[in-house]
Amino acid sequence: GENVEQHPSTLSVQEGDSAVIKCTYSDSASNYFPWYKQELGKRPQLIIDIRSNVGEKKDQRIAVTLNKTAKHFSLHITETQPEDSAVYFCAASRGEGSNYKLTFGKGTLLTVNP
Amino acid sequence: ETGVTQSPTHLIKTRGQQVTLRCSSQSGHNTVSWYQQALGQGPQFIFQYYREEENGRGNFPPRFSGLQFPNYSSELNVNALELDDSALYLCASSLERQAYEQYFGPGTRLTVT
Repeated sequence: GENVEQHPSTLSVQEGDSAVIKCTYSDSASNYFPWYKQELGKRPQLIIDIRSNVGEKKDQRIAVTLNKTAKHFSLHITETQPEDSAVYFCAASRGEGSNYKLTFGKGTLLTVNP
Repeated sequence: ETGVTQSPTHLIKTRGQQVTLRCSSQSGHNTVSWYQQALGQGPQFIFQYYREEENGRGNFPPRFSGLQFPNYSSELNVNALELDDSALYLCASSLERQAYEQYFGPGTRLTVT
């Protein structure tokens, strides 16, 4: 089955700096890669996603890149703010039809210091 | 538009007991997936329901079972609870046509003593 590795497990940056979180996946048939943000005690929130037919996607300060050959994808957050502090999870799916099972990484605790 | 809701928020059970968790999907969503999130870990896929039928299952034993109702709400049942079942149980709903975008509920925190 699919295996998703996520690094680093913790990341501390100064406000205004950039943050990068990287994930690798094992199943070459995976075609959907979402990123979720989970604040303490709250639900995971979908913040950005990318399909396998796209190499990069950007939404304001957040961007995701995908390298299908190397089977890795990354989350980039620019101009970080204290409210970006949370646990971030990457996930991968080889879904078809209505079955899009998500396999998650173990998460990255991002701390943005004011 | 109503988001995904779950009940109860938290509960405590004793080893060997049975538990039922409930999920109401987001308005218009007909696909529900259940995940188990242990402390400090990413969510793990339990199973998915689509049009009232199980549509994929993760590596969980048969004592984890579920249902989906005609209004697309869903239940997760766990029999013979074990200490390791203590976790946050999340459900996520999605539109049939966009089943890849899954939106999570707030979760049910289950503690087994």
